[in-house]
Order: sequence, then structure tokens, then C-alpha cells
Amino acid sequence: DSGVTQTPKHLITATGQRVTLRCSPRSGDLSVYWYQQSLDQGLQFLIQYYNGEERAKGNILERFSAQQFPDLHSELNLSSLELGDSALYFCASSVAWAGDTQYFGPGTRLTVL
Amino acid sequence: SQQGEEDPQALSIQEGENATMNCSYKTSINNLQWYRQNSGRGLVHLILIRSNEREKHSGRLRVTLDTSKKSSSLLITASRAADTASYFCAPLGVSGNTPLVFGKGTRLSVIA
Repeated sequence: DSGVTQTPKHLITATGQRVTLRCSPRSGDLSVYWYQQSLDQGLQFLIQYYNGEERAKGNILERFSAQQFPDLHSELNLSSLELGDSALYFCASSVAWAGDTQYFGPGTRLTVL
Repeated sequence: SQQGEEDPQALSIQEGENATMNCSYKTSINNLQWYRQNSGRGLVHLILIRSNEREKHSGRLRVTLDTSKKSSSLLITASRAADTASYFCAPLGVSGNTPLVFGKGTRLSVIA
């Protein structure tokens, strides 16, 4: 158990809908990272937050947004969902910076029908 | 950010054999990390090697780093069926504060 929790575990929804994925980092970790993993694209870095502030952005679509709250949990919002958004979404946390060991949550499997 | 490239893409060995997988990267690094992912699960950190280290051990894992060749290798000795997983390397750039970028990994299958 990494100490990182993600909810929900599975999500099935229809095209055009909006969903919110939630992540609670390990106790004491200030950085949260979001990744998308699909079969054809591998593990793609989406975005990093550090202590409530956006720190780095990767291949995150404009339809996607994220935030980190004062209690350090984070949410990833996906809107206008398309079939291609079906993937595993992982959250990871680290103590502070990207060079620290990252601890991954169990992931949320999103299926868009 | 820089991405490591793992090689081979897939590797199949018998239980008890050693497994070696390689990682190449393009620019100077601060450190390099190896992670394991069991199918459908989150990545698990295995080992971190700093740019001034050449070799590091952790149980049955041995990681080497050759900064002149910009490459690293992960050796798993006496492999077990439970080692079946994908393995990813993640080089961290010199600035130290850029996101880790994962490649496609090496898929290791250990056959009992």
C-alpha cells in the first residue's frame, strides 16, 4: 500500500459527459502528479501540483483541468469526454520535488462508451 | 523533461534466470529511477541512482549507471514468477525540478 488513495476505482460514462477523479496523497507529501495510461500511448504525464500551486504541465488537454486543495488532496476534472479518453488515470505524490520518489495510487479506470 | 527509452520492449525468461533491461537517455541527469508496474496497478518505485553513483543494489536488484554513455541497466537476479511486470526508467534532468517522463517500459514475463 503506497498510502496514496484514489476514488473511484472504476468509472463508466458516456461521451460528452464530465467526471471528477479524486486523489489523496501520502501524509506529508506536498506534490501531486496526474498521469494517463492508455494502451497505445503508454504512461503520459498530465500535470503536477505543489502545495496548492500548479508546478508543471504535460500533455494535458484543454478539456481536462485539475486543482489541489488546502488539505492537499487533488481532483482531476475531465469534460466533454470522448471515446479516446478511456484509460487508467493515476495519481502519484512525492515529498516535494519531481526528483523525489513518487508513490502511485491504484488508479481510476475510466471507460467512455 | 527528458524521457528514458527502455530496451528491450519485451523479455521472456524462465524462473531462476537473470533478467537485464536497459535504459538510454539524451541529456545529463540528476538521478535516474526505476519503477515496476504490475498489470493494471500503479507504479512502484524500485531504486534511485544518483548521477555520481555507478552501481546500486537492493535485494535481487542491481542497477548500473554509465553517464558517459547516457545509459542505465537494471538486473534482476534469480527471477521469480512474481517479477512478471513492466519496468520503467525515469531520468531526472540536471535542474532537478522537471517532471519525470516515463517511456513505454520493458515487459518482463517470467515463466515458471
